[in-house]
Amino acid sequence: GQNIDQPTEMTATEGAIVQINCTYQTSGFNGLFWYQQHAGEAPTFLSYNVLDGLEEKGRFSSFLSRSKGYSYLLLKELQMKDSASYLCAVMDSNYQLIWGAGTKLIIKP
Amino acid sequence: GAVVSQHPSWVICKSGTSVKIECRSLDFQATTMFWYRQFPKQSLMLMATSNEGSKATYEQGVEKDKFLINHASLTLSTLTVTSAHPEDSSFYICSAASISGSSYNEQFFGPGTRLTVL
Repeated sequence: GQNIDQPTEMTATEGAIVQINCTYQTSGFNGLFWYQQHAGEAPTFLSYNVLDGLEEKGRFSSFLSRSKGYSYLLLKELQMKDSASYLCAVMDSNYQLIWGAGTKLIIKP
Repeated sequence: GAVVSQHPSWVICKSGTSVKIECRSLDFQATTMFWYRQFPKQSLMLMATSNEGSKATYEQGVEKDKFLINHASLTLSTLTVTSAHPEDSSFYICSAASISGSSYNEQFFGPGTRLTVL
């Protein structure tokens, strides 16, 4: 079956760095996405990785290792507004997104 | 990124009535639209995938006669929840993409519709 695993909840301090991991097993691979979702709102796109390596975009970076079925989202210089759920999703061979359950990130002052 | 709208943003209805939710891609032609449902503190659950001009493909466990999907044009898809019941209360989110052949395009999400069935 297809499976996406990520931690349920993480806590970090304002100004610090946090890494959210995601492991996956899917039928085919056409890229891995990270989305941010604030409570009561739709997800917003953060990053897309299809090749191995690190993609940096401002305070957020995303890493992919296809051979290990592993990705992480790195958030630097955390701000209170970064408190949200972070969803990992993999696009399978049918171009369908397989979603993880999301990681709720709590930022403390 | 592209803009996707949903209407209404929230709706309250009586049990047994039907509710229609519209999803529009405002500035691009969406060959494929996806309908998701999200219960509190849970991840997105794909309900169905619809391609313009063809019947929607429903995920296992989703009743196609209860959740009617129409994708009549490249910019509009509708989801109708028929004979809604309290257990259908959820956050319904659509996304739109333009997928052709082996090329990939990002999914753009609508703002979601909060449905409460009394």
